[in-house]
Amino acid sequence: GQNIDQPTEMTATEGAIVQINCTYQTSGFNGLFWYQQHAGEAPTFLSYNVLDGLEEKGRFSSFLSRSKGYSYLLLKELQMKDSASYLCAVLDSNYQLIWGAGTKLIIKP
Amino acid sequence: IAGITQAPTSQILAAGRRMTLRCTQDMRHNAMYWYRQDLGLGLRLIHYSNTAGTTGKGEVPDGYSVSRANTDDFPLTLASAVPSQTSVYFCASSDSGGGNEQFFGPGTRLTVL
Repeated sequence: GQNIDQPTEMTATEGAIVQINCTYQTSGFNGLFWYQQHAGEAPTFLSYNVLDGLEEKGRFSSFLSRSKGYSYLLLKELQMKDSASYLCAVLDSNYQLIWGAGTKLIIKP
Repeated sequence: IAGITQAPTSQILAAGRRMTLRCTQDMRHNAMYWYRQDLGLGLRLIHYSNTAGTTGKGEVPDGYSVSRANTDDFPLTLASAVPSQTSVYFCASSDSGGGNEQFFGPGTRLTVL
């Protein structure tokens, strides 16, 4: 079967750095997405990785290793507004997104 | 309108009733999707449409139907609602299938009693 694993919840301090991991086992791979979802709101796009390596976008970076079935989202200089759920999703061989359950990130002052 | 809209925002429905959730986008995206989101589970694809006039089944299609008469609209119908269909429903669209980001509507919170 297809499976996306990410931690259920993480806590970090304002101004710090946090890394949210995602491991996947899917039928085929055509890229990996990270989305942010604030409570009660819709998911919004953060990043897309299809090749191995690190993609940096401001305070957020996303890393992919296809051989290990592994990705992480790195958030730097954490702000209170970064409190949200972070969703990992893999585009499978049928070009359908398979979603993880999300990681709820709690930021403390 | 700008982006993607859904209606209603929330609804309480008696079991056995028929219900249509509406979704409209003005971005001229070819592909559209319906997901449900339940606590502790990832988003699950119900149905999708790669272009107007075509639809496909996702991971959890039973009990739901869709139509795609034009580019902008993608309604989701529950023919006879059951309590297990209580969920938050998100409509999304993308420029095409594949590696393009999906844009999500604000969601419909549906409760079936």
